[in-house]
Amino acid sequence: AQSVTQLDSQVPVFEEAPVELRCNYSSSVSVYLFWYVQYPNQGLQLLLKYLSGSTLVKGINGFEAEFNKSQTSFHLRKPSVHISDTAEYFCAVSPHYNQGGKLIFGQGTELSVKP
Amino acid sequence: NAGVTQTPKFQVLKTGQSMTLQCAQDMNHNSMYWYRQDPGMGLRLIYYSASEGTTDKGEVPDGYNVSRLKKQNFLLGLESAAPSQTSVYFCASSWVSSGSVSQVAEQFFGPGTRLTVL
Repeated sequence: AQSVTQLDSQVPVFEEAPVELRCNYSSSVSVYLFWYVQYPNQGLQLLLKYLSGSTLVKGINGFEAEFNKSQTSFHLRKPSVHISDTAEYFCAVSPHYNQGGKLIFGQGTELSVKP
Repeated sequence: NAGVTQTPKFQVLKTGQSMTLQCAQDMNHNSMYWYRQDPGMGLRLIYYSASEGTTDKGEVPDGYNVSRLKKQNFLLGLESAAPSQTSVYFCASSWVSSGSVSQVAEQFFGPGTRLTVL
């Protein structure tokens, strides 16, 4: 079985400060990794994904994430946040060879950017 | 392209009532999913459908049923609503390859249905 743990439920930061949202996973098989963002009262949209290759993945809106296999982590970073980055962020994994392409989500991290 | 659409956007039910949440996608995706989102619990998979006419249980299927009669539609039914089913429901779709290649694809989400059961 797989599980995903997002280590911080809420992260408040000031505008233009750097931010890191932490994600750890547990799995007995190899997984693909995703970060999704949910703006208030909206559905989820994909920020970035790791399938294979370079462990540093760049996504939309200046976000990037690094896959660390030995630490089973996939932390999301942005060097300078904007007010518009205020949203909830979800880390998710998809086990290799799982039927139907199912995702297992973490609990979510609320990022609050203050002026 | 509308992507993934859900109806209704909001719904209030009384305990014991039944209803169907509707989901439609226009991306010709083969796989569709229903999730529920509750505070502090992320998204949990209720049911999914890997292809038209097939459905499988997810993590939290009790109290729900689903139907995938057409490729573009995935319906979620509540036979006898309970307060514990108060939640925000999201539908998603993706194209998932089959066969020996690993199956992975981005899921596209609808805007959600906010359901309250009194």
